[in-house]
Formats: sequence, structure tokens, C-alpha cells
Amino acid sequence: DQQVKQNSPSLSVQEGRISILNCDYTNSMFDYFLWYKKYPAEGPTFLISISSIKDKNEDGRFTVFLNKSAKHLSLHIVPSQPGDSAVYFCAASKGGAQKLVFGQGTRLTINP
Amino acid sequence: NAGVTQTPKFQVLKTGQSMTLQCAQDMNHEYMSWYRQDPGMGLRLIHYSVGAGITDQGEVPNGYNVSRSTTEDFPLRLLSAAPSQTSVYFCASRHDYTEAFFGQGTRLTVV
Repeated sequence: DQQVKQNSPSLSVQEGRISILNCDYTNSMFDYFLWYKKYPAEGPTFLISISSIKDKNEDGRFTVFLNKSAKHLSLHIVPSQPGDSAVYFCAASKGGAQKLVFGQGTRLTINP
Repeated sequence: NAGVTQTPKFQVLKTGQSMTLQCAQDMNHEYMSWYRQDPGMGLRLIHYSVGAGITDQGEVPNGYNVSRSTTEDFPLRLLSAAPSQTSVYFCASRHDYTEAFFGQGTRLTVV
């Protein structure tokens, strides 16, 4: 049972435009959500997070939106840059330091 | 500042061999976990621990053992390696309601 789903395996965006990555979850008990970025041959690195008490969190070019009623979150990257080309994973957890459940990942390619 | 350290980085095993993947963190995080990454499958949780002496199974625990005798270390043991365990393995540590920090990964091939 895939509790966190990223339905787009890949996304291609032109440099300077907005990249929107989507993630859906099924467990309404999840209360903390994170996005990770992964380059080949490296471990995932944290990008941005959001608590279920918020519906938006911004950090520079990155914004995460949370729609609890739809059990959906999205990551917006504006403007997209070539260095943003990577695999992006969303993750969710319920309660404190409990286990993180990851989606399948979306490979983002930024074209010049 | 080492963060999360995994060893080895690469390993080739023959079917039936055993080995231990090492993971150590220096951030005093209570929560540690092991994931495997396979194409199209994302990061799947193998085992996790919420503190020294406490471990639990994740989504794909079969064929793997763990123990947590100290806060810093969380080794993952393959008792009898199988080709299906060919994967990239990541260890992570985390504190309450913060991001998880990942190691650089161990690429394991079982032939």
C-alpha cells in the first residue's frame, strides 16, 4: 500500500520557468511533510518541509503548498535553474521522530 | 562535522554471503533508519529505530537484521545475500519534527 505517491516519474521544464512537482498521500494521520533532492551517486538532501498546521512554506525559490482536504502537496521552484535537475522525493511522517514514508520520486530536467 | 557516515560505499557479494553495512551519526539523533532505493520504487524503509535498544520493521524487512546498542550506530546485517538485495542502501538519522539527514549510500551488488 503506497501511502505517499508521486504520479509523475519525470518532468521537463525550460530554464527560468516554474517547476511544479506533485505528491499525494493517503494517511490522514501524517502531520509533517518534506521534500528531498537527490543527485546521482549522492544521498538525498533536505530541501523544504511543512507542518500540517500550515498550508504554505517558502524558502527562497522553493515553496511547498499543502492541501490537507485533498491530501496533496506540491513543490514550486521559481525560477528553475539547470542545477535543479535532479530526482525529487516527497516524504511524510506522523508524530515527532516517527518513520518517514517516501514517494517514488520525480526526475526533474531543466532545459536551457 | 561528519553527519551520517556509511561504510562501505561499494560492495559485491556472492549469493549466500553475509555482510554488515555500517552507519554512524554524530548528531545525537534518537531516530535512525535504513532505506533501499530501487529504480521506480523510490526509497523504501527496511528497518528503523527510535532509540538505543529499540528497533522495528519497515516496509521491506525480510532478509535484513538490525540492532541499536548505542545512539550513534545502527548497522544493517544481511545474513544470506540474495540477488534481489542488489540495491543502493541509505542510512538516515533524524530528531523530532526535523529533516532526516542521509548518508552517501552503499551500492551493493549480489551476484
